[in-house]
Amino acid sequence: EVQLVQSGAEVKKPGESLKIACQGSGDTISNSWIGWVRQMPGKGPEWMGVIYVGDLDSRYSPSFQGQVTISADKSINTAYLQWSSLKASDTAIYYCTRQDYSQGYMHVWGNGTTVTVSS
Amino acid sequence: EIVLTQSPATLSLSPGERATLSCRASQSVIKYLAWYQQKPGQAPRLLISDTSNRATGIPARFSGSGSGTDFTLTISSLEPEDFAVYYCQHRTTWPMTFGQGTNVEIK
Repeated sequence: EVQLVQSGAEVKKPGESLKIACQGSGDTISNSWIGWVRQMPGKGPEWMGVIYVGDLDSRYSPSFQGQVTISADKSINTAYLQWSSLKASDTAIYYCTRQDYSQGYMHVWGNGTTVTVSS
Repeated sequence: EIVLTQSPATLSLSPGERATLSCRASQSVIKYLAWYQQKPGQAPRLLISDTSNRATGIPARFSGSGSGTDFTLTISSLEPEDFAVYYCQHRTTWPMTFGQGTNVEIK
């Protein structure tokens, strides 16, 4: 089964941009729905959105629409989550996941990327 | 959006005891509810999908039940590795949401 390997921890200042990555290992993710989940310190997970890597069809939770951009590059088996202008409230662990559908369960999880936004 | 409320927030039990965790939805999610386990410093792991289907490799001591708005995760006899936080999640409507979690801790 595919494993999802995420990029390393980031420390940024408010207003900076950021793009974090999630690479499939052991199998292609080009026929997969890859989702992103936020987990703020001490809180439960929040589903942010999802992308079908094969055709780049992306969908967002209303809470995150316009706040982040989900993209992918199937040639390098990688999905991305990016911000154009970070806020302190974006401080969290971000997980990529492989979902069985655009609106499906999260069967495979990445190792998580910790994003810290602080002045 | 559908709100999932988990209870209790914390469950203090001893190894070998039975754990019963509840997840209540603000409107019907039919049967489309999953349970995840999260240990400190780790990503969540899917345990059960569609109310009662155990994911690959999940031991039989984990079982799920319910329908509509009320769901239960039961761990029949707690093993030391089962002490963790458990989350429910629905996929019925947009957006999918998670509960706030139940922490199963060692008594």
